[in-house]
Amino acid sequence: NAGVMQNPRHLVRRRGQEARLRCSPMKGHSHVYWYRQLPEEGLKFMVYLQKENIIDESGMPKERFSAEFPKEGPSILRIQQVVRGDSAAYFCASSRGANNYGYTFGSGTRLTVV
Amino acid sequence: DAKTTQPTSMDCAEGRAANLPCNHSTISGNEYVYWYRQIHSQGPQYIIHGLKNNETNEMASLIITEDRKSSTLILPHATLRDTAVYYCIALAVNGGYQKVTFGTGTKLQVIP
Repeated sequence: NAGVMQNPRHLVRRRGQEARLRCSPMKGHSHVYWYRQLPEEGLKFMVYLQKENIIDESGMPKERFSAEFPKEGPSILRIQQVVRGDSAAYFCASSRGANNYGYTFGSGTRLTVV
Repeated sequence: DAKTTQPTSMDCAEGRAANLPCNHSTISGNEYVYWYRQIHSQGPQYIIHGLKNNETNEMASLIITEDRKSSTLILPHATLRDTAVYYCIALAVNGGYQKVTFGTGTKLQVIP
């Protein structure tokens, strides 16, 4: 009964490279949410996805960031041409439905851009 | 989501009860009060939730006032491992999607 699995746990990228962060929701959960936490700051909502659909991307930066949740496989948060300011912890959460009986969070991916 | 307000930080002596308050004066009738915590560098962890009645589980107790405008999370015997940021959120159930916003929470420091 695995929880929300995120990988990698730590990711180091040079400026200009691409970062791909993966999130596998809990079994039976079809709703995925991505949050970003900058150092010493709170959790900021980025995007909410259901299978094959982006429902709310109001927290996503307009450029370089994209997210998907394909029919098969994990949800992917993709950051193109990373900059130092993208260094943060990225957390994924999942829920059973949009009626939100609480979220279950993964352990996060810590992205460091050098 | 109903806006919630929490103190920025609190200290608690190890072994004593930690009482973390949360104000949610604009909470709607269909919104539950959820509590999460985030231990340093980890993903947020669900603690407890409730609608009207007080709730208790193995981690904590939740006391909700009769008018539902505020609540208190109680950790009955705080340990050093309870040092974390605690978030109080008002969340509608059966109301369709709503964006969940985490505020700044309360940073609880348990002191030996």
